[in-house]
Amino acid sequence: EPEVTQTPSHQVTQMGQEVILRCVPISNHLYFYWYRQILGQKVEFLVSFYNNEISEKSEIFDDQFSVERPDGSNFTLKIRSTKLEDSAMYFCASIGDRGQRGYTFGSGTRLTVV
Amino acid sequence: AQKITQTQPGMFVQEKEAVTLDCTYDTSDPSYGLFWYKQPSSGEMIFLIYQGSYDQQNATEGRYSLNFQKARKSANLVISASQLGDSAMYFCAMREDSSNTGKLIFGQGTTLQVKP
Repeated sequence: EPEVTQTPSHQVTQMGQEVILRCVPISNHLYFYWYRQILGQKVEFLVSFYNNEISEKSEIFDDQFSVERPDGSNFTLKIRSTKLEDSAMYFCASIGDRGQRGYTFGSGTRLTVV
Repeated sequence: AQKITQTQPGMFVQEKEAVTLDCTYDTSDPSYGLFWYKQPSSGEMIFLIYQGSYDQQNATEGRYSLNFQKARKSANLVISASQLGDSAMYFCAMREDSSNTGKLIFGQGTTLQVKP
C-alpha cells in the first residue's frame, strides 16, 4: 500500500536554527498538508498546498514557516528560526481528491528544540 | 467555538468488551465528512473509519463502527471486542466540504486503555 514518507523521524535543533522537515507524499495525490501535534495535545492544521501554492494556512503558520514542493515529489516544511514552542510532532498528509475519504498520514517527525 | 469535541480525556475498557468513544461536532456546512484516527504510542496516525454527512447508513469497518446521529451532531466510535492492541489515543476529525482545501479539524483526543 502506498505510503507517505517523512524524514527525519526525530530532529533535535538549537533554538534559533533553521530546520527543514521533508515529506514524500503519495505520487498521484494532489493535496498536501502539514499538521502539528504538541506532545499529548490535539493535532492542529498548519497549512494546505495544492497546485504548487498554499491554499490555506492557520494562525500558527506565521512568517517563520514556509512550504515548498521543489521537484514534484518532495514536500518540505521549513521553520526559519526555531523557538522552544516549536517542539512538536509534525505530520505530513496527502490525498488524491479533497472529497475522498482516505487521507494518508506520514509517520511524523518529532522536532525537539533545545 | 470548538468544532470537534471529545469530552472523554481517558477511558478504560476490559479486554473483549465493547467501548464507545464520544465525538460531537459543530458545523453549518450541509456537506462534511467525519473521520476517526488511532494514534498508538509509536505516534503514527492510523485511519480507522469515515462517515459522510449524506451517508444513509452508519459506517462499519471490521470491529469499528460509527454511531452517526446527524440531528444531535454526534459521531461516536464503537469498538467491539476490545483487544490489548486497541490501547491508544483516538482522534475524531471533520472535513467541511465547503472548504476548498480539504483540511481536517481534530478533536482533543481520547486515550483508551484496554485492561487484560
